[in-house]
Amino acid sequence: QQQVKQSPQSLIVQKGGISIINCAYENTAFDYFPWYQQFPGKGPALLIAIRPDVSEKKEGRFTISFNKSAKQFSLHIMDSQPGDSATYFCAASKPGAQKLVFGQGTRLTINP
Amino acid sequence: DADVTQTPRNRITKTGKRIMLECSQTKGHDRMYWYRQDPGLGLRLIYYSFDVKDINKGEISDGYSVSRQAQAKFSLSLESAIPNQTALYFCATSLAGNYNEQFFGPGTRLTVL
Repeated sequence: QQQVKQSPQSLIVQKGGISIINCAYENTAFDYFPWYQQFPGKGPALLIAIRPDVSEKKEGRFTISFNKSAKQFSLHIMDSQPGDSATYFCAASKPGAQKLVFGQGTRLTINP
Repeated sequence: DADVTQTPRNRITKTGKRIMLECSQTKGHDRMYWYRQDPGLGLRLIYYSFDVKDINKGEISDGYSVSRQAQAKFSLSLESAIPNQTALYFCATSLAGNYNEQFFGPGTRLTVL
């Protein structure tokens, strides 16, 4: 079973627009929620992460919004640029698990 | 630069063949992981290792085996490859105290005919 469900599977956004990718989880023991970014031909790399004690974390144009009661979190990319075109994975981990559980991935394309 | 490398980068093989994918790292990390990536399924953990003597199954270990030859080397084997093992395979590493930040290699694209 998929412990972290990610949507949409693919997304096309115009340059300058806002890209939004959503993830939902069931296990309330999860306490760390990172987003990884993967460019074509490369491995994923950590982009930004949040813990459930805050509802939002912002780093430059990238923001994670976290809704603990709904068990959902999302990645917002403001002023999206063609260089943001990549596959994005949400993930989650719980204390002591020693591993991450990844979502299904979203292929984001930013049109010039 | 400290790095994670994978060999080969691409491999085409036939059903029933034994295949080994290799991963080396110069990051000095204790922990190493093998994932496979499939469209629509994301990244799924195959095996992970805390050190040379500590290897653990992930969520999809059936049909795979691993060997941690040294702190810096972690190999994934497919004893008898089958077509549904066609996928993109990634090795990753992390510090023992921070498994949430994993550093991925460039991947191996494996095709089983």
